[in-house]
Amino acid sequence: DAGITQSPRYKITETGRQVTLMCHQTWSHSYMFWYRQDLGHGLRLIYYSAAADITDKGEVPDGYVVSRSKTENFPLTLESATRSQTSVYFCASSEGHREKLFFGSGTQLSVL
Amino acid sequence: GDSVTQMEGPVTLSEEAFLTINCTYTATGYPSLFWYVQYPGEGLQLLLKATKADDKGSNKGFEATYRKETTSFHLEKGSVQVSDSAVYFCALLSSGGSYIPTFGRGTSLIVHP
Repeated sequence: DAGITQSPRYKITETGRQVTLMCHQTWSHSYMFWYRQDLGHGLRLIYYSAAADITDKGEVPDGYVVSRSKTENFPLTLESATRSQTSVYFCASSEGHREKLFFGSGTQLSVL
Repeated sequence: GDSVTQMEGPVTLSEEAFLTINCTYTATGYPSLFWYVQYPGEGLQLLLKATKADDKGSNKGFEATYRKETTSFHLEKGSVQVSDSAVYFCALLSSGGSYIPTFGRGTSLIVHP
């Protein structure tokens, strides 16, 4: 199916474990983004990417790692999960400058 | 830097009431302005947008007018439905080649039958 998909939809993990959230888009959009959504904070940008092999830090990158070896995939890894990383994570993509974002359905992550 | 300020929610209305959600922005130049909507359990999706001053974006009965003089992009709907219950985000994209939007914090709308 065309679009942007995230997996898993729900994830429960323990502190200290490594977790990878997947994001895949079928449009070949150049730009991709990872956000986290928390009550009282709205959306906060974690990392973004302008093209394959080009990534940059956003507002809250600490504790996260991204890669973009292929245009269509943009995985987000929590190297050693902490309780403060409990959140809903959204991946998004766009065609380019001044264009709207397309969002995935989100991954709800709980770190116990 | 760029910023977007939205009215705090939740906004609670009865069905068929008039809706206004205020949004003001700070940006240099001529940004593009957007309203996104997030239904429960889903990601954000574009509701409407405007790219230059005095443009009116509209979709699904919602409207917003790009007001350069007041740096505002207020969202309005004449008669809300229960199905409009969602979180609404105002956002901007700066001119000059930016592709990273600045989002407001979101306003929750609850519509009662």
